[in-house]
Amino acid sequence: TQLLEQSPQFLSIQEGENLTVYCNSSSVFSSLQWYRQEPGEGPVLLVTVVTGGEVKKLKRLTFQFGDARKDSSLHITAAQPGDTGLYLCAVISYSGAGSYQLTFGKGTKLSVIP
Amino acid sequence: DAGITQSPRHKVTETGTPVTLRCHQTENHRYMYWYRQDPGHGLRLIHYSYGVKDTDKGEVSDGYSVSRSKTEDFLLTLESATSSQTSVYFCAISENSGGGYTFGSGTRLTVV
Repeated sequence: TQLLEQSPQFLSIQEGENLTVYCNSSSVFSSLQWYRQEPGEGPVLLVTVVTGGEVKKLKRLTFQFGDARKDSSLHITAAQPGDTGLYLCAVISYSGAGSYQLTFGKGTKLSVIP
Repeated sequence: DAGITQSPRHKVTETGTPVTLRCHQTENHRYMYWYRQDPGHGLRLIHYSYGVKDTDKGEVSDGYSVSRSKTEDFLLTLESATSSQTSVYFCAISENSGGGYTFGSGTRLTVV
């Protein structure tokens, strides 16, 4: 069973439309991170949410952490072609020896058509 | 001016040959990670390091080994490459174990 389920897997929309992608789990997390990955590059951190119910805004992107800290959503307003990419959510889990590791969902691949 | 670089960016190798991928950082971060990314599986952790000479296994470590003799370098070795190891490999660094990661641009490895 996947720790993090992201939906939808694929999304193709027209420029100017709004969209929401989701990251869900049955586990409770202390924090959750969102990354965006463009073709041929590594993921880039967008935001970290840590408090249940927290909402963070990054220009046209709005991130929300669920009240129970089991899920998160990313809403994009007036999507632009530059928003095209793979959106990944990730959580920190304890891996032993005092260390933690980042576990990723499989991502939502977004295409914004001009 | 990138804080993390991976080399090579692309490599084609034959089944059974050894392959070493290099990750170099200039940020002096303690933690370094190797992930592989495959369609349908997403990013999966191979090995990680929490200090010089301190490494541990991740989710998909079979067939891989790592070494970290200096803070700035983390090497991933495929002792005898197999076709199932064809993938895109990403290195990442973090200042602390609970924070955000910075990723390199990846190495696309093809095993034929």
